[in-house]
Amino acid sequence: EDKVVQSPLSLVVHEGDTVTLNCSYEVTNFRSLLWYKQEKKAPTFLFMLTSSGIEKKSGRLSSILDKKELFSILNITATQTGDSAVYLCAQYGSGNTGKLIFGQGTTLQVKP
Amino acid sequence: DGGITQSPKYLFRKEGQNVTLSCEQNLNHDAMYWYRQDPGQGLRLIYYSQIVNDFQKGDIAEGYSVSREKKESFPLTVTSAQKNPTAFYLCASSREGFSGAFFGQGTRLTVV
Repeated sequence: EDKVVQSPLSLVVHEGDTVTLNCSYEVTNFRSLLWYKQEKKAPTFLFMLTSSGIEKKSGRLSSILDKKELFSILNITATQTGDSAVYLCAQYGSGNTGKLIFGQGTTLQVKP
Repeated sequence: DGGITQSPKYLFRKEGQNVTLSCEQNLNHDAMYWYRQDPGQGLRLIYYSQIVNDFQKGDIAEGYSVSREKKESFPLTVTSAQKNPTAFYLCASSREGFSGAFFGQGTRLTVV
């Protein structure tokens, strides 16, 4: 059964810290792995990763995928209070059905 | 503007009543998804549809039903068979080839 597991489930840091969020997955037919940020309601898209070892970067956020070890990390450097959110990892796979499944999320709180 | 519209934002229903949540998109996306989110949890897949007149059960389909009569619309009915329907419901869509799913603003359903 396809599965996505995130860790830690919650994290509290201070502004300026660097954080690493983890996502491991099990899938029968991997297509891509995605990261989303959810602040209030709708998750917003951050990254989509399809190839191992290629870092995707957007400002202070970056992410990388390891298809051999079946995991991905999301790094946030120089955290700000505006980074406080739930970060969701999702996997798009399972053959032609296009099933998109999510992990439990990591709740990040950045204190001033 | 293109996007996904969910309505209503808040919905209150008495126990034992069926209720239908609306999801409309004007992005010309082929695939649409329904997720349920409980407090402190990730997103759990209820149903998804890759094309008109076809849909598949997700991980928690019991007590829910959907239809996909038009490409733009994917309504979700929460039936009286759903044991614990109070939750936040999110609709998403993606285009063929998948470059990330886009979400509506969600419907918060409270059953009293």
